Amino acid sequence: SQKIEQNSEALNIQEGKTATLTCNYTNYSPAYLQWYRQDPGRGPVFLLLIRENEKEKRKERLKVTFDTTLKQSLFHITASQPADSATYLCALINQAGTALIFGKGTTLSVSS
Amino acid sequence: GAGVSQSPSNKVTEKGKDVELRCDPISGHTALYWYRQRLGQGLEFLIYFQGNSAPDKSGLPSDRFSAERTGESVSTLTIQRTQQEDSAVYLCASSPFGDTEAFFGQGTRLTVV
Repeated sequence: SQKIEQNSEALNIQEGKTATLTCNYTNYSPAYLQWYRQDPGRGPVFLLLIRENEKEKRKERLKVTFDTTLKQSLFHITASQPADSATYLCALINQAGTALIFGKGTTLSVSS
Repeated sequence: GAGVSQSPSNKVTEKGKDVELRCDPISGHTALYWYRQRLGQGLEFLIYFQGNSAPDKSGLPSDRFSAERTGESVSTLTIQRTQQEDSAVYLCASSPFGDTEAFFGQGTRLTVV
């Protein structure tokens, strides 16, 4: 069956460091992958979308990579700040194109 | 409206009652999604609409759950004979075409007592 795994439930880093979050998927070949941020008590907010023909995408302090051979995406936050503390979710359209499926998320805590 | 709107924000209901949750997507968005998020858990996909059609209903947890969308706009998620296990935040999202970013509402927190 198709699976999305974010292999860290929690990540704690010091302010100013780079946070790297991982998303792995199995049993399908998505055309694109998305990353979202979710704060407690709120709905997810879209951050970045990367397509299968793009190796890397950047937006301000955010960088996403997409390796279709490894079936993996890495999400980086450089110069992290306490305000970056949140849960980060990756999401993929399923093979049939009928559902946007989310990983369970990684909760990032940035301490000052 | 400017964003996805869900109502009510909070709903407390007695076990066995039916509830209706409403989602008003962003105008012009053809794709609409419903998710369930239990406390401390990830997003569980329930159903996807393209226009007024739901091509795949297999995400609905049981036959007590149903959803409809009319006018390629408002969607309603109905839960019949609610159970305590239905307690969760129900999130709705819309997207212009279904292959781009999804915009989420603030969710409906359902508590079954």
